[in-house]
Amino acid sequence: DGGITQSPKYLFRKEGQNVTLSCEQNLNHDAMYWYRQDPGQGLRLIYYSQIVNDFQKGDIAEGYSVSREKKESFPLTVTSAQKNPTAFYLCASRRRAGVSYNEQFFGPGTRLTVL
Amino acid sequence: KNEVEQSPQNLTAQEGEFITINCSYSVGISALHWLQQHPGGGIVSLFMLSSGKKKHGRLIATINIQEKHSSLHITASHPRDSAVYICAVRSPSGSRLTFGEGTQLTVNP
Repeated sequence: DGGITQSPKYLFRKEGQNVTLSCEQNLNHDAMYWYRQDPGQGLRLIYYSQIVNDFQKGDIAEGYSVSREKKESFPLTVTSAQKNPTAFYLCASRRRAGVSYNEQFFGPGTRLTVL
Repeated sequence: KNEVEQSPQNLTAQEGEFITINCSYSVGISALHWLQQHPGGGIVSLFMLSSGKKKHGRLIATINIQEKHSSLHITASHPRDSAVYICAVRSPSGSRLTFGEGTQLTVNP
């Protein structure tokens, strides 16, 4: 089955530790996205990548880093510089980034809690 | 003011009722999406619209580009429709989505 996988579903970390969230897709999509969701707020874009080895900052990139070494994978690292890292993180992908009629698919999400 | 506004924020209905969720946006768009998020957190795409109306089962989505407004209708609502419904607009370049805050729908039996 084609889709997007994120692991783990729940993640706990101590304050001051970096943590990397996994996102893998087997849909052969070029574009991948990371969003953050907080209670009472809409999803906010952290980073996105339109092709391998290229990525752009979204609206709330501070304290986060990404890499796109393979088409299938777009890991997100939450660094100790992120002031409020506890949130629900969603990964998504699309076939092509700049084409409006391409549907966007979402992963199941990872809930990160920093203690 | 948010670029994408949804109303209502919360909606409680009885099974069988007709439901309408509204979305207004203030920016240029290339498409509008309606998404459904269940309590577990996963998000499913319901519709992608650039004009007119689309129907899928008991769900209907409409968009008025001139008025910058879209509605999601659910006919004969059922408890399994209980979820958060999210409106999102795609930028004219096609590269980014901007999301509304979501509408929490609860359908009671």
